[in-house]
Amino acid sequence: AQKITQTQPGMFVQEKEAVTLDCTYDTSDPSYGLFWYKQPSSGEMIFLIYQGSYDQQNATEGRYSLNFQKARKSANLVISASQLGDSAMYFCAMREGSGNQFYFGTGTSLTVIP
Amino acid sequence: NAGVMQNPRHLVRRRGQEARLRCSPMKGHSHVYWYRQLPEEGLKFMVYLQKENIIDESGMPKERFSAEFPKEGPSILRIQQVVRGDSAAYFCASSPILLAGGPDTQYFGPGTRLTVL
Repeated sequence: AQKITQTQPGMFVQEKEAVTLDCTYDTSDPSYGLFWYKQPSSGEMIFLIYQGSYDQQNATEGRYSLNFQKARKSANLVISASQLGDSAMYFCAMREGSGNQFYFGTGTSLTVIP
Repeated sequence: NAGVMQNPRHLVRRRGQEARLRCSPMKGHSHVYWYRQLPEEGLKFMVYLQKENIIDESGMPKERFSAEFPKEGPSILRIQQVVRGDSAAYFCASSPILLAGGPDTQYFGPGTRLTVL
């Protein structure tokens, strides 16, 4: 089974609108961390936001927030007030317990329309 | 504080040649990870190293691929006798010690894009 599933290959959003990028995960480890990364066309991976499995509140970082629904094993990224510079690939990732590796989804390509 | 450095950014090799990819972690980070990203896919873990030790190489192909992180100098991912299927972006990441369930993330370098002709 896939550890991380991103079901939206591509998304479009109007500038200044909010957009939600979906991510579901699969793990039996009670301790895990969920991460979102942005990959612009230049190729680098930029860390956006983190959510721990024991965190009671949804994580927020500026215009990014993580809608964490533990029972549904989902960790959707919400980008508010979209900007043209938000156009990029977005990857959801998970690290289990004290594990060494991150598991990545296949990504969602976001295009912000002026 | 300089980020993770990778070089070269782009590497072209002919089939059968060797590819050497270098990674210098962030200052103060002693853990290095290598990932491979095939076109249209997410990153796939290859190997995790600390100084002079390979900790986890469960994602490394059994043949032709090797990695090292010497006491001095950058981490090296080496691919011998490259084939067209090795064409991909190879990312290095570094981190301080990861705590169980902790927020410490891996910080990624800009990647090396390997093209095998």
